[in-house]
Amino acid sequence: EIILTQSPDFQSVSPKEKVTITCRASQTIGTSLHWYQQKPNQPPRLLIMYASQSLSGVPSRFSGSGSGADFTLTINSLEPEDAATYYCHQSTNLPFTFGPGTKVEIK
Amino acid sequence: EVRLVESGGGLIHPGGSLRLSCSVSGFTVSDNYMSWVRQAPGKGLEWVSVIYPRGNTFYADSVKASFTISRDFFNNTLYLQMDRLTVEDTAVYYCARKVGSYHDYWGQGTPVTVSS
Repeated sequence: EIILTQSPDFQSVSPKEKVTITCRASQTIGTSLHWYQQKPNQPPRLLIMYASQSLSGVPSRFSGSGSGADFTLTINSLEPEDAATYYCHQSTNLPFTFGPGTKVEIK
Repeated sequence: EVRLVESGGGLIHPGGSLRLSCSVSGFTVSDNYMSWVRQAPGKGLEWVSVIYPRGNTFYADSVKASFTISRDFFNNTLYLQMDRLTVEDTAVYYCARKVGSYHDYWGQGTPVTVSS
């Protein structure tokens, strides 16, 4: 099983500041690592696929990087609507796994 | 437009059974990889099960002995039969389509509460 660990668990950030969330996989997975945003009482929303590929409709302040076992999600210039929990995810290897989540709070 | 709508959740006693449904529009369930993912109250996301286009099914170890994923071509619906439920199965259950190595479309979820 590929275990995904995230850090930090929680981050309280002022608007317009930069947020960096890391995800480490227990084994190398190339770039098959994806990032989701989840707000309360909503399903997860795909933000970044294959480590760094942006999706249509996702604000450009969200970006991803990394390969192998170490990945990063960056939110440049945090907006109030970015308050959410962010998860990394892999579904290349069974069982599919998610990181434990990073909760981002707006100061 | 793609839509996934889960139903069938509710309050059930330990040891009971429930069948969740995920009604899909906008794509064909049987042509796609389809997963169930759950989220216990205040907790993170946990993958539960997947069914492949060819019909192969896989499960998380935590549900392997008690859950069954299936699909109905004519109704374009995904199912999760949950038997021998325990309090640890209390969660919101989401269905999602898997494309490549990620899940793109998700339903809004259906809550399952297992309690005596």
